[in-house]
This record gives sequence, structure tokens and C-alpha cells, in this order.
Amino acid sequence: AQSVTQPDIHITVSEGASLELRCNYSYGATPYLFWYVQSPGQGLQLLLKYFSGDTLVQGIKGFEAEFKRSQSSFNLRKPSVHWSDAAEYFCAVGASNTGKLIFGQGTTLQVKP
Amino acid sequence: EAQVTQNPRYLITVTGKKLTVTCSQNMNHEYMSWYRQDPGLGLRQIYYSMNVEVTDKGDVPEGYKVSRKEKRNFPLILESPSPNQTSLYFCASTKGLGQGAYEQYFGPGTRLTVT
Repeated sequence: AQSVTQPDIHITVSEGASLELRCNYSYGATPYLFWYVQSPGQGLQLLLKYFSGDTLVQGIKGFEAEFKRSQSSFNLRKPSVHWSDAAEYFCAVGASNTGKLIFGQGTTLQVKP
Repeated sequence: EAQVTQNPRYLITVTGKKLTVTCSQNMNHEYMSWYRQDPGLGLRQIYYSMNVEVTDKGDVPEGYKVSRKEKRNFPLILESPSPNQTSLYFCASTKGLGQGAYEQYFGPGTRLTVT
């Protein structure tokens, strides 16, 4: 069955430190992969996406993610975290031809001053 | 401005009282869907619609109904709400199938509490 796992429920980093959020997926074919961010009380905003081609994708707000087929992973990274990055982050995979997104459980990022 | 709107944003109701959450998009998107978000579970799809008059069940459709009479609107109906439907609901839309189908635009969410 198709699934997405975000192993870290909660992560705390200091402002200015680097960040990596983990995402592992289970999907039979080449996946369409996404990272969304949800700020408190807000909807979901697309950070970046991977469909094919270059396995390192750049997104908004200085985020990037790397698709590693051998590890079934799509980890999100940022070199230097800002206090405004505190939010919940969701990894998702696009499933079949229904347009459905299968989401991971989410990772809450806290940023220390 | 391209957007997906939902109303109401917050709703407290009682068990069994029928309610409707509206969703509207102004991007002429064919595909729309509803998700619910629960702590520790991420978002799960309730229903989706590929076009007018075409709807289908997602992963958690029990207790919900939808309709798609116009392209821009996709209301979510709870005929007899129960406390286990207390959740944060998101409407989403996208152009259609293919790669672009998965670039979904999300509404701001509706927080529903059923007592």
C-alpha cells in the first residue's frame, strides 16, 4: 500500500542552524513527491515538488529536497533556519490517477532564538 | 487573486444537526477534493471530484456527502454529524490529471467541533 512516513514528530533547531526533515515513502511506480508547510492557523502552502529529472529540487523560502530512489526518501533541507520557519511540515506523495495526495503524519518544527 | 475559499472557518455544532461546509475556487480547476486533518494522522482524503457531476470516495468517506453541480463549488455535507467528525477540514483544487493534478491549492481550512 502507498504510504508516507515522517519519522520525526517534533524537531527543535536554533535559529541559523541547518535543518533536515526526513520523509520516506512507499510507492510502486515513480512517485510524485511534495513538501507542504502549514503555519499556525493557516492552510497548506506548497514548498517544492518532484516529478522527474534532477533529483535535487529547489523550492520557495530557501528550501530544497533530494529524491533518493534507493532509499525511498525525499528529505527536506534548509541551510539556515529563520524563526519564521516554525510551522508544521508535511511530505506527500501523489497516488495513482485520482489526484489524491497521501500525506505523512507531519513534523512540527520549533525554532529557538 | 487565485484562491480556494471555505466557509465557515470555524463551526461548533451538536450531534445530528446537518451542516454544510462550502468550498469555492476561482481558477477554473476541474479537480477538487476534501481532506480532513487529525493530529498524528496528517491529512486524509474524504471525497474528490474530477469534474462537474463526477465524484468519488477517498479514504475516509463515511459520514460525508459531496456534490459538484458547478465547476467552481464543491460543498461538503455532514447529514448527521458525530463527535468523531471533529476535525480540521481542507478543500483543495487542481487543474486536472497528469503531473499537474497533484499541484493542489488548499483553502484556509474549517475547524469543526461536534459536541
